[in-house]
Amino acid sequence: SAVISQKPSRDICQRGTSLTIQCQVDSQVTMMFWYRQQPGQSLTLIATANQGSEATYESGFVIDKFPISRPNLTFSTLTVSNMSPEDSSIYLCSAWVRGERGDTDTQYFGPGTRLTVL
Amino acid sequence: DAKTTQPTSMDCAEGRAANLPCNHSTISGNEYVYWYRQIHSQGPQYIIHGLKNNETNEMASLIITEDRKSSTLILPHATLRDTAVYYCIVSGTYKYIFGTGTRLKVLA
Repeated sequence: SAVISQKPSRDICQRGTSLTIQCQVDSQVTMMFWYRQQPGQSLTLIATANQGSEATYESGFVIDKFPISRPNLTFSTLTVSNMSPEDSSIYLCSAWVRGERGDTDTQYFGPGTRLTVL
Repeated sequence: DAKTTQPTSMDCAEGRAANLPCNHSTISGNEYVYWYRQIHSQGPQYIIHGLKNNETNEMASLIITEDRKSSTLILPHATLRDTAVYYCIVSGTYKYIFGTGTRLKVLA
């Protein structure tokens, strides 16, 4: 298994400001992703965090709003820019961790960052 | 759209086996079946996955039908701590598409 940590765990922010969320993985990582979970909803994939290059965004998500960095294999950040109340959600990072002893890779999730925008 | 269909909710008595079904009739040959659960808005927790053989680990068993069009996650002795939303995901890539999952409530 893998341990994925996120900081901050929660925050309350004002409209128009930005928040950067950090994600750290303690294992060998192949892929990293960022998800959003709006209140009462399931998880939606925001983007793939690519090491050393621009993130790959899913339909409906753009770099100007959700800039992502991944400076090394096990660390990534997601920024929620120019926030509005509609951005109030839980933001989760995930990582595919290399399988041990011939096992297949497995995706693990961080604990999430609960964001409230006033 | 998610490639899986799950019942919206289920109840299970504490100590009994919880059997959670998942329909994935359009699954492709290279796609795995993954199960995760999410307890009260925490990050999803990996449970088990399989390709075509039945799998068992310390948390659960996964039964996949021979035609691979459906599967069942079995929690052999459900406890109150197993109350959660359970997601069945079919994927052949690194990307997941989450459906709405099954909200399992374990009753004392």
